[in-house]
Order: sequence, then structure tokens, then C-alpha cells
Amino acid sequence: DVKVTQSSRYLVKRTGEKVFLECVQDMDHENMFWYRQDPGLGLRLIYFSYDVKMKEKGDIPEGYSVSREKKERFSLILESASTNQTSMYLCASSLGGAGGEEQYFGPGTRLTVT
Amino acid sequence: QQQVKQSPQSLIVQKGGISIINCAYENTAFDYFPWYQQFPGKGPALLIAIRPDVSEKKEGRFTISFNKSAKQFSLHIMDSQPGDSATYFCAASMGVNNNDMRFGAGTRLTVKP
Repeated sequence: DVKVTQSSRYLVKRTGEKVFLECVQDMDHENMFWYRQDPGLGLRLIYFSYDVKMKEKGDIPEGYSVSREKKERFSLILESASTNQTSMYLCASSLGGAGGEEQYFGPGTRLTVT
Repeated sequence: QQQVKQSPQSLIVQKGGISIINCAYENTAFDYFPWYQQFPGKGPALLIAIRPDVSEKKEGRFTISFNKSAKQFSLHIMDSQPGDSATYFCAASMGVNNNDMRFGAGTRLTVKP
């Protein structure tokens, strides 16, 4: 069974704080993704990574950065949290390659920035 | 703006009825079209997916219909059950190995007993 774990289910931070969201997958997947989920907007891709130290911007990368130093771990960083970054953050991974498109999601981190 | 437009936003269906959710896209580079199902408190999980070389795919009570020329695809849930009550997302992906995936806004389905 593929398992994607996220470091926290709930997180409350103050405006201006640096925030780290961690994601770990245990299936040796090549690709990892960060999305934010907001009502009425669905899932919006922030960044994805197709290899260690590689990253690609998604639709809404502004205000975020990512780090992938090891294959199993993908971190999302909010350099200076703002209230409009209050959201549910979902991490996912996929095997990659032909037939390996299925993304496996973690349970999400609900971040509140006050 | 969303690259994948999904409708309706919410849907209420009686048990045993057919649930239909529609999606449309513009970018012809999309090459893989999955549907994800999400229950409260959980991350989305793949339900069924289709590639553009076929017009329909069926898995149990779930069917995707795909119209390449119209750039539309839909999910049909036959004999809908209360356990199907969830949020459904369509998606489309492109790029090397279809890594670049974009989701619709979601449809909250409620199946009444």
C-alpha cells in the first residue's frame, strides 16, 4: 500500500512566520506534488518535482518554494506566511513513466495563518 | 483561471439514480483524464481514468465518456448509493509522463437514501 504522510494535520501560524510543510512517501515514487485546496477552486498545483533537486512551477507558485533533497521527501516552504495562504495543503506522489500517472494523496494539512 | 472547468458544483441524487458530472478543457496538450473521489477528512483517491484514444471507459458502476472534438468528458455513476456521497474532481494532465496535472473545482455529490 502506498503511503503518503504529511507532518501535521492542523497548523496555526502567525503572519510573517516561515512555515515548513513536510511530506514523505514510502513507495520510491519519482514524482511528488504540492496542491492547495480551497472551496469552489478545487485543487491548484503549487509545485511539482520529477526528480531529486528538480522542481517545476504549477499554477500558483507565488509566495511558496519547495525543496526535494531526498527522493522520499518533498517540503513546501512559505517564506513569510500571509493570511491569504490559509488553506488545506495536499501532498501527492506518483510512480511516473507510462502507466504511472496515478497520484496518491496524503491526508492534508489545514494551515491557518492569523 | 482554471484550465479544467467542472459542473455542477453540487449534485443531489436519489439512491438508485444516475449521477452525471461534466468537465471541459481547452488545452489540447492534455493527454490523460482521471477522476478522483474525496471523502471528508481524506485526500483524493483515483476512481477511474481515460486516455484520449478511447471514447468510453467503464469500471463497475462508474463510466467516463470522452469527446475529444468537443474537449469534454463526463463521469456517470449508475445506481448511485449513499456511500458514493463524496466530492468528485475531474483532472487533466500533460507533459513528460503526464506530471503536470490540473484539477477541476470539484462536485459535491449527495446521494439520498
